[in-house]
Amino acid sequence: GAVVSQHPSRVICKSGTSVKIECRSLDFQATTMFWYRQFPKQSLMLMATSNEGSKATYEQGVEKDKFLINHASLTLSTLTVTSAHPEDSSFYICSARDPLLLGGEVTEAFFGQGTRLTVV
Amino acid sequence: SQQGEEDPQALSIQEGENATMNCSYKTSINNLQWYRQNSGRGLVHLILIRSNEREKHSGRLRVTLDTSKKSSSLLITASRAADTASYFCATADNAGGTSYGKLTFGQGTILTVHP
Repeated sequence: GAVVSQHPSRVICKSGTSVKIECRSLDFQATTMFWYRQFPKQSLMLMATSNEGSKATYEQGVEKDKFLINHASLTLSTLTVTSAHPEDSSFYICSARDPLLLGGEVTEAFFGQGTRLTVV
Repeated sequence: SQQGEEDPQALSIQEGENATMNCSYKTSINNLQWYRQNSGRGLVHLILIRSNEREKHSGRLRVTLDTSKKSSSLLITASRAADTASYFCATADNAGGTSYGKLTFGQGTILTVHP
């Protein structure tokens, strides 16, 4: 299957600083990527849809100025957590689809390994 | 809001036993997908079942879909300790536009298989 690489896997930062998380599709071009947040023992909550060459679409309740998304190329989307606070500590996961597999049907998504963010 | 509700929330079994997890959803779907997540890791796609299918098999996995009840089940037969993970069902947004293809996940079932 297609490979999505997410980096870093773990990051610890101080309150008030910004953290950038990268999501790369390694063997396919992804016009759309998705960013999720997951709290311990809970489900994934979609934060935003990242669209190559255009603005991201944020889910209701997600602060777009705090969670900056950039999708500058067909293989890279970044999520920047700005002015991080302890409550931003969470597990962040990206996903993408290989558009060649789409054919009009929404098929399987490929996920990055996730990033454990701890804000101290 | 969560599309899928899963039960049980946690399931603990012995190796060799079967594990059954259920998922319910609210809207019309094109397909329903099951994913597995090992602790602290990303998700791995297990199986996809289309709305016109009732049952699908893949190795030790069996998925059923009842669109009239808006529910699905995942059966893992002859479980192994390595099957210990969280399992999520997911439905896709087929509405089109810039959010085409986003997945909405159920609450998940934490499966523990004891050796």
